[in-house]
Amino acid sequence: GENVEQHPSTLSVQEGDSAVIKCTYSDSASNYFPWYKQELGKRPQLIIDIRSNVGEKKDQRIAVTLNKTAKHFSLHITETQPEDSAVYFCAASIVVNSGYALNFGKGTSLLVTP
Amino acid sequence: KAGVTQTPRYLIKTRGQQVTLSCSPISGHRSVSWYQQTPGQGLQFLFEYFSETQRNKGNFPGRFSGRQFSNSRSEMNVSTLELGDSALYLCASTLLGSGELFFGEGSRLTVL
Repeated sequence: GENVEQHPSTLSVQEGDSAVIKCTYSDSASNYFPWYKQELGKRPQLIIDIRSNVGEKKDQRIAVTLNKTAKHFSLHITETQPEDSAVYFCAASIVVNSGYALNFGKGTSLLVTP
Repeated sequence: KAGVTQTPRYLIKTRGQQVTLSCSPISGHRSVSWYQQTPGQGLQFLFEYFSETQRNKGNFPGRFSGRQFSNSRSEMNVSTLELGDSALYLCASTLLGSGELFFGEGSRLTVL
C-alpha cells in the first residue's frame, strides 16, 4: 500500500532548541497533511495541518513545510519546552473508493530536557 | 460539544474469543473511521464508514469488521482473537470535507 515514512523515530533536544521531524509520502493524490501530537496515555490531537496548495504554514512556535514535487513535508518546533515532549505523527490523506482516510507515519518520540 | 466517546476503555480477552468495541462520534460528524495503534506499527487504518456504508478498508484480515448505525455511532468487531490483536483501537470522526480527524481516547485490548 501507499506509505508515509517518518524520521527520526526518536529525538532528544535541550529546552530552547529547535526540533525538526521529516516525512515523505508516495501517493501523489494526497492533498492534506496533518500533524498529530500524542501525549502519554492520551488521544492523538491535531497540532497543525497543511494543504497541497500551500508551501508553508506557521502557528506560533510550530511550522510545517510541504514540497509536493519531492513528496516530503516537515514539522518545525522552535524554542522547545518540556511540555512539547510527546509522540508526533505525520499523516497524508488517501481516498479509496470515495472513502477518506489518513495514512500515518510511525511516529517520532520527542524528548525535551530542561 | 462532546468529543468522540469510546467504550469500553480497557478490556482483557483470551485467544479465540471475540470482542465488540463501540464509538460515538461528535454530533454532526457522519464519517467514522477506526485505527489500530501498536508500539511498532504506529496508527494503521482499519476502515471508514459514512452513512452506514463502509467506504474504505485497510489491509486487515476479515476477522476485523465493523458497522455504522443511522445515528452515526459505530462498532467494530474482532473475531477469533489472536495475541497480535492486542493494541489500542482508536475511533475518529470527521466532518465531511474538513480532513481533520477527531480521535476518541481509545479502547485498549489485551489478548491473553
